[in-house]
Amino acid sequence: EGQLVDSGGGLVEPGGSLRLSCVASGFPFSNAWMGWVRQAPGEGLEWVGRVKSRSDGETTDYGAPVKGRFIISRDDSKNMVYLYMNSLRTDDTGVYYCTTDRMDVWGKGTTVTVSS
Amino acid sequence: QSALTQPASVSGSPGQSITISCIGTSSDIGGYNFVFWLQQHPGKVPKLMISDVSNRPSGVSNRFSGSKSGNTASLTISGLQAEDEADYYCTSYTRGSTWVFGGGTKLTVL
Repeated sequence: EGQLVDSGGGLVEPGGSLRLSCVASGFPFSNAWMGWVRQAPGEGLEWVGRVKSRSDGETTDYGAPVKGRFIISRDDSKNMVYLYMNSLRTDDTGVYYCTTDRMDVWGKGTTVTVSS
Repeated sequence: QSALTQPASVSGSPGQSITISCIGTSSDIGGYNFVFWLQQHPGKVPKLMISDVSNRPSGVSNRFSGSKSGNTASLTISGLQAEDEADYYCTSYTRGSTWVFGGGTKLTVL
């Protein structure tokens, strides 16, 4: 059964940067499109973005609120996917989940707090 | 891309059936058969309950079913049980190659 372990969250000041990581196991990672979903405190789920598989061009797509500030990348040799977050704002605060693009496997989430 | 529209809350008694609607547009729900439903218990990780409009992943109870008509998708839970009390989210693939979520529906089992 597939497993994702996400990490890297923490407290960062507005305007700062943070890198989240996610390691996958138990499924053919190199074939999987991988994404991130976030959830602000007390709010619903919001799609952050995805990176496609290498065979599909390893291209990325992003939700409007993060486009131009966040970058998703992958390293198939390590079964890793990364979320680089720049120009962080207070409304980026929340739990960030690593997930397969088909949302059938989820990490436990890592908490990002943007505050001065 | 605007969020999909879900009712904020629904409720039902044990054994009853409930349906949660998810209204989108021709650019998302109406244009693709990629509508998923997720269940999230308080403080827990979301769980995929329905994929591709009506497919149940392995291990999901057959009390959960999904459908779509036009720009509206629906999740039906039959034979309500106390453990079904949770938040439910719909999500759809969009013309912009992104996913869009609904605002979530809180299901209360009376």
